[in-house]
Amino acid sequence: DAKTTQPTSMDCAEGRAANLPCNHSTISGNEYVYWYRQIHSQGPQYIIHGLKNNETNEMASLIITEDRKSSTLILPHATLRDTAVYYCIVRVGGSNYKLTFGKGTLLTVNP
Amino acid sequence: DVKVTQSSRYLVKRTGEKVFLECVQDMDHENMFWYRQDPGLGLRLIYFSYDVKMKEKGDIPEGYSVSREKKERFSLILESASTNQTSMYLCASSLLRGQTGELFFGEGSRLTVL
Repeated sequence: DAKTTQPTSMDCAEGRAANLPCNHSTISGNEYVYWYRQIHSQGPQYIIHGLKNNETNEMASLIITEDRKSSTLILPHATLRDTAVYYCIVRVGGSNYKLTFGKGTLLTVNP
Repeated sequence: DVKVTQSSRYLVKRTGEKVFLECVQDMDHENMFWYRQDPGLGLRLIYFSYDVKMKEKGDIPEGYSVSREKKERFSLILESASTNQTSMYLCASSLLRGQTGELFFGEGSRLTVL
């Protein structure tokens, strides 16, 4: 699976959009980009995933560049409860797979 | 909602003891995983299983074994616990051919080995 690079930490003001970047310059054509987050003392939680098109769900939006070498997770109106470690992961699609987590980005939403 | 339940939230064991961490999921998922999480190191995959009685090594299998006798249950075994196995252990499950490939995690088991 391709390696990802994320900033160690970021801050965001409550109510503003949080934009979390991820570089995955060695991504292959059949690898998906996944985002998870982990709130303190809880297990990680799935947020969103995509292959090459931008995706949106009730939690967030995922913007993938045209060359697929980077992506951005957007939380449109961050709240204090969005303070968490956010993990960007790439993996090959298919049935028998594993996800390898990196160190992620600690997003702190400030009042 | 999918539920992944880990048997113990907190455990304290002594060096050399045999430790069992149990994980049960209620959504008939084929895949199950065990990760450990340590400060500064993120989540690291220990073992995973994609079927009953099947197992595959993850990135850090040394010192661990697993058992999957029933589809819903995946056990992590520390044959002889050591202090460097003090960690947070997270179990997860997913569908074998799920559309999203989403992993569902349990709340974690914090193990302290004295």
